[in-house]
Amino acid sequence: AQSVTQPDARVTVSEGASLQLRCKYSYSATPYLFWYVQYPRQGLQLLLKYYSGDPVVQGVNGFEAEFSKSNSSFHLRKASVHWSDSAVYFCAVSSSNYQLIWGSGTKLIIKP
Amino acid sequence: ETAVFQTPNYHVTQVGNEVSFNCKQTLGHDTMYWYKQDSKKLLKIMFSYNNKQLIVNETVPRRFSPQSSDKAHLNLRIKSVEPEDSAVYLCASSYAGNSDYTFGSGTRLLVI
Repeated sequence: AQSVTQPDARVTVSEGASLQLRCKYSYSATPYLFWYVQYPRQGLQLLLKYYSGDPVVQGVNGFEAEFSKSNSSFHLRKASVHWSDSAVYFCAVSSSNYQLIWGSGTKLIIKP
Repeated sequence: ETAVFQTPNYHVTQVGNEVSFNCKQTLGHDTMYWYKQDSKKLLKIMFSYNNKQLIVNETVPRRFSPQSSDKAHLNLRIKSVEPEDSAVYLCASSYAGNSDYTFGSGTRLLVI
């Protein structure tokens, strides 16, 4: 069955430190992968997506993610986090009918 | 401004009442969605709809129903709300065959 796992419900990082949010997927075909961010009291916004090609994709606000077929992963990274990055981050994979299968989300907390 | 607009932002109602939430998108998309987001931030697809097909998540109770006048509008009606319906309801849209979703800011429902 298709699924997305975000093993960390909550991640705490100091401002200015680097960040990695983990995402593992289970999908039989070549996956289309996404990271969305949800700021407090807002809807979700697309951060970045992977369809094919270079496994490292760049997104908005300095975020990037790396696709690994061998590890079935699509981890999100940022070199230096800012307090405004505090949000919930969702990883998702597109199913065969283009509907998104969502992970459970990771809440990112930035320490001053 | 092109976006997905949801009204109301917040609604409080009593058990057994009927409620209706509005969603409009000005992006020219042809597919719209309703999601329920619970208190743990988990996302559950309720309906997806384009001018050809309504897809209903079979786990959605019958008291929920989508209502569409055209491809830019997809409203959500709940007949006889129950306490477990308290959640954030997120509307989204996309082009058919595309998993890049644009979300509204959500309607927060509290059933007392």
